[in-house]
Amino acid sequence: DADVTQTPRNRITKTGKRIMLECSQTKGHDRMYWYRQDPGLGLRLIYYSFDVKDINKGEISDGYSVSRQAQAKFSLSLESAIPNQTALYFCATGPGQGARGNQPQHFGDGTRLSIL
Amino acid sequence: SQKIEQNSEALNIQEGKTATLTCNYTNYSPAYLQWYRQDPGRGPVFLLLIRENEKEKRKERLKVTFDTTLKQSLFHITASQPADSATYLCALDRQGAGNTPLVFGKGTRLSVIA
Repeated sequence: DADVTQTPRNRITKTGKRIMLECSQTKGHDRMYWYRQDPGLGLRLIYYSFDVKDINKGEISDGYSVSRQAQAKFSLSLESAIPNQTALYFCATGPGQGARGNQPQHFGDGTRLSIL
Repeated sequence: SQKIEQNSEALNIQEGKTATLTCNYTNYSPAYLQWYRQDPGRGPVFLLLIRENEKEKRKERLKVTFDTTLKQSLFHITASQPADSATYLCALDRQGAGNTPLVFGKGTRLSVIA
């Protein structure tokens, strides 16, 4: 089984719909992240959470919200989807700060979201 | 402004040759830099981490260098194989304290031609 699981893997929906993308992890990591990836723009951070009570905006948080339901679960919501939110979305996890800096992140295999 | 740039979007190389990918950054002071591999339809997978006080790191056919004066990391794959074809991403910690998320480059798509 995958360490970081994203559901759904693919989703097609219409403008104005509310959408939730879910992420769960079995790595026991404190830190979780949501990114979107667009051709030519790379990975951009939407939101991140360093523990269950911590939520932080990333560089492109407008139009998105998140919920950290438990250490293992971090969901991303699009309250009213618009076509320019069509992208590949990735969830990632990471352990807490190591003795000498951040640690590698572990990514899920993504959700391909299309908004018509 | 702060930037992290990977030298090219795509790189083609003959099988058996050494592939060299470049990651440059400006206006960051990272304590470490990471490299990831991403295959089509999959999430990035961590390959190597190099710290600011390390000049070079090796793992099998992979070698990473980190020059904080030049603000550059080089990623080498020796004896490249078609299976090495993928997109490679560099990432760095903004402030070196480990309390800020990684910043990723846009990636270089490597194609190894048999």
